[in-house]
Amino acid sequence: NAGVTQTPKFQVLKTGQSMTLQCAQDMNHNSMYWYRQDPGMGLRLIYYSASEGTTDKGEVPNGYNVSRLNKREFSLRLESAAPSQTSVYFCASSFREISGANVLTFGAGSRLTVL
Amino acid sequence: AQSVAQPEDQVNVAEGNPLTVKCTYSVSGNPYLFWYVQYPNRGLQFLLKYITGDNLVKGSYGFEAEFNKSQTSFHLKKPSALVSDSALYFCAVRDGADYKLSFGAGTTVTVRA
Repeated sequence: NAGVTQTPKFQVLKTGQSMTLQCAQDMNHNSMYWYRQDPGMGLRLIYYSASEGTTDKGEVPNGYNVSRLNKREFSLRLESAAPSQTSVYFCASSFREISGANVLTFGAGSRLTVL
Repeated sequence: AQSVAQPEDQVNVAEGNPLTVKCTYSVSGNPYLFWYVQYPNRGLQFLLKYITGDNLVKGSYGFEAEFNKSQTSFHLKKPSALVSDSALYFCAVRDGADYKLSFGAGTTVTVRA
């Protein structure tokens, strides 16, 4: 049972380079999310997709784009990386329970360093 | 807007002692509250949630949390801490009508033997 799989696990970029973080889930969840984790700031939502075909901005969307390729896959793209985007990125997925709650299942994270 | 505050960056306790990690929240509607734990170099794992009903909710690994509406708090507790409970703990809140989950800054728990 893979859950949420993120690739790559580690990446080093130079300022101005582009890259895409890939995320796939095998739990048939409707919703998917991208968060970044920075020391002392917790997790901040970058973008989310409530369902296949929809994407919405979170708290810190600037400098990022996303694609919900299908129900399983949700990618995060940095078009022109900046040192401020050095962070650990987490993908998550969830389904909406009858109660209305949505418990997120997280991937293992992708550590990105921008020089 | 919704937000979460975890007032303590670090909590240190001796093994066998009670553990409490504090969390306060702010939402405009009905709160959906969660606790997650992160072990070193791992993703976050779900511990427990409060949606409605009994103010005391029980979760994984012997953890529980108490919802207090008047104090807008959702503190995480464990009666007897283990060394293996040492980790980073996050409180999170969602407005009932929303999909977005907002996280606190996290509290590092260290349990000494």
